[in-house]
Amino acid sequence: DTAVSQTPKYLVTQMGNDKSIKCEQNLGHDTMYWYKQDSKKFLKIMFSYNNKELIINETVPNRFSPKSPDKAHLNLHINSLELGDSAVYFCASSVQGVNIQYFGAGTRLSVL
Amino acid sequence: DAKTTQPPSMDCAEGRAANLPCNHSTISGNEYVYWYRQIHSQGPQYIIHGLKNNETNEMASLIITEDRKSSTLILPHATLRDTAVYYCIVRFPPSNSGYALNFGKGTSLLVTP
Repeated sequence: DTAVSQTPKYLVTQMGNDKSIKCEQNLGHDTMYWYKQDSKKFLKIMFSYNNKELIINETVPNRFSPKSPDKAHLNLHINSLELGDSAVYFCASSVQGVNIQYFGAGTRLSVL
Repeated sequence: DAKTTQPPSMDCAEGRAANLPCNHSTISGNEYVYWYRQIHSQGPQYIIHGLKNNETNEMASLIITEDRKSSTLILPHATLRDTAVYYCIVRFPPSNSGYALNFGKGTSLLVTP
């Protein structure tokens, strides 16, 4: 009964491949986020969705495409993976109008 | 958002109180102070937040100075499981949509036996 769950936990892939990371929350929240944590441990926002609509899209290559099929899910698809995409990706969710966010356990992506 | 400054690292003996400071001298009147932590290999975890008054919950206490230019997160009886990076974040309340949290470098707290 994990509140925010991400799959897979680990993802190892070759450069140039396309991969997806899935995120689901069972908290009834209407806002979901993707953050990236690089090797220096800086945690930065990538995208934010509210009620399935994109509301934040930071400077992220267009190889990254978030998709929200419903309020409980926010998936991240990455095309043409590059070495620099190696990082830990965190999904989070919150209630609209509240700055308390609940994070998943992260997906560690390694691009070889 | 107001900028925050935290010491890069701190140590604390197990069972003692851990007092983590945060400076936010440019905070504006309706910005809140939030604290999150990230235990190694886990996602960030919300701890507590406040506007003006001191706050306490089951995890920690938050002391905000009267001028609101600094705050202190207090873990009253630190345990080894409290070893983590602690982030102080100053943020306006979201008006209608969720806002991203701007995580800085935080303070790496090491609780020792």
